[in-house]
Amino acid sequence: AQRVTQPEKLLSVFKGAPVELKCNYSYSGSPELFWYVQYSRQRLQLLLRHISRESIKGFTADLNKGETSFHLKKPFAQEEDSAMYYCALGGAGGGNKLTFGTGTQLKVEL
Amino acid sequence: GAVVSQHPSRVICKSGTSVKIECRSLDFQATTMFWYRQFPKQSLMLMATSNEGSKATYEQGVEKDKFLINHASLTLSTLTVTSAHPEDSSFYICSAPGQGTVEQYFGPGTRLTVT
Repeated sequence: AQRVTQPEKLLSVFKGAPVELKCNYSYSGSPELFWYVQYSRQRLQLLLRHISRESIKGFTADLNKGETSFHLKKPFAQEEDSAMYYCALGGAGGGNKLTFGTGTQLKVEL
Repeated sequence: GAVVSQHPSRVICKSGTSVKIECRSLDFQATTMFWYRQFPKQSLMLMATSNEGSKATYEQGVEKDKFLINHASLTLSTLTVTSAHPEDSSFYICSAPGQGTVEQYFGPGTRLTVT
């Protein structure tokens, strides 16, 4: 069964501090991992996906199959990063179906 | 980019009545759409996969007779909550995958309150 775990409900950091949002997954096949973000009063939107290996808004995430993790990182947090972050897992046979983690609220304080 | 809309954005209904929520892909076609439910401060729970021209696929534990899904065209899926009860009050969100991409585009959600 597919499962995504985000252990932190809330992560509070100061502006300029490094950020790491944790995500672990459980999946027997070849996983596709995503990070989605939801800013206040806005809809959910894709932040990044593991297959593209890109950096978006300074965020990166590396898929570690050995640790079954896909942690989201940013070296210097900005106030505008405050949002809800969801890790999501899709599978090759899932037909675009996603399993979401419980989400982590990131609060960047001045 | 691709846009998904939902209507209504919020609805209040009385217990025992039915409510229909629409999900539209505005500038792209979607043979598949997904319906999620989100409780306050909780994650999105996939309810069902809506398939254009065929029956929806429901996740385990979701009552298909209670949550009727119709995907009549390539740009519209509807979710009808039948005989709604207060415990059905929630935030319902739909999404659609973009064409030729793994990215899913989400609607803004519909807040349902059953009194």
